[in-house]
Amino acid sequence: DGGITQSPKYLFRKEGQNVTLSCEQNLNHDAMYWYRQDPGQGLRLIYYSQIVNDFQKGDIAEGYSVSREKKESFPLTVTSAQKNPTAFYLCASSLRGAVYNEQFFGPGTRLTVL
Amino acid sequence: KQEVTQIPAALSVPEGENLVLNCSFTDSAIYNLQWFRQDPGKGLTSLLLIQSSQREQTSGRLNASLDKSSGRSTLYIAASQPGDSATYLCAVNDFGNEKLTFGTGTRLTIIP
Repeated sequence: DGGITQSPKYLFRKEGQNVTLSCEQNLNHDAMYWYRQDPGQGLRLIYYSQIVNDFQKGDIAEGYSVSREKKESFPLTVTSAQKNPTAFYLCASSLRGAVYNEQFFGPGTRLTVL
Repeated sequence: KQEVTQIPAALSVPEGENLVLNCSFTDSAIYNLQWFRQDPGKGLTSLLLIQSSQREQTSGRLNASLDKSSGRSTLYIAASQPGDSATYLCAVNDFGNEKLTFGTGTRLTIIP
């Protein structure tokens, strides 16, 4: 089955800890994205990557970091510098960049800071 | 800065009715507009993508239209079913920008 997988589905973190959210795709897509979703708000872009070993900040990158060492993988680290990390995190990918290409989403990871 | 609005935030209709969901955006310089469906606690499912040069796209009981000049898109759902109950999100991709700007969604409930 082709698709996007995210793990874990639920994640609990103590304040001051860094955590890493996994995103893997087997669609052979070049571009990958991380979004954050909060209740009552639209999705907001954290980081995106159009090719391996390259990525750009989105609208709310502060307190987050990413890497893109493989085409299939785009992990997101939520650092202790992120002041309000409790949210639903969604990973997406598209064949090329967003222009003319649909974005496809994974099932999400719900992060809760205790 | 692009802003995307979806009104109403929630909508309930009896099963079998046709319905229209609305999406408006402030900057008409877009590459495309995409409609998604989200079930509670789940990721987004892409429904339709309309390029800026297109006026509408159809998939089964769904039809999405785009009027760039007025900054509006509609998602028409024919013969609604209880399984259509979900939150529907629209998102636009601006010129010169790799990101999608999302609306906050319309939560649709189909009453059996």
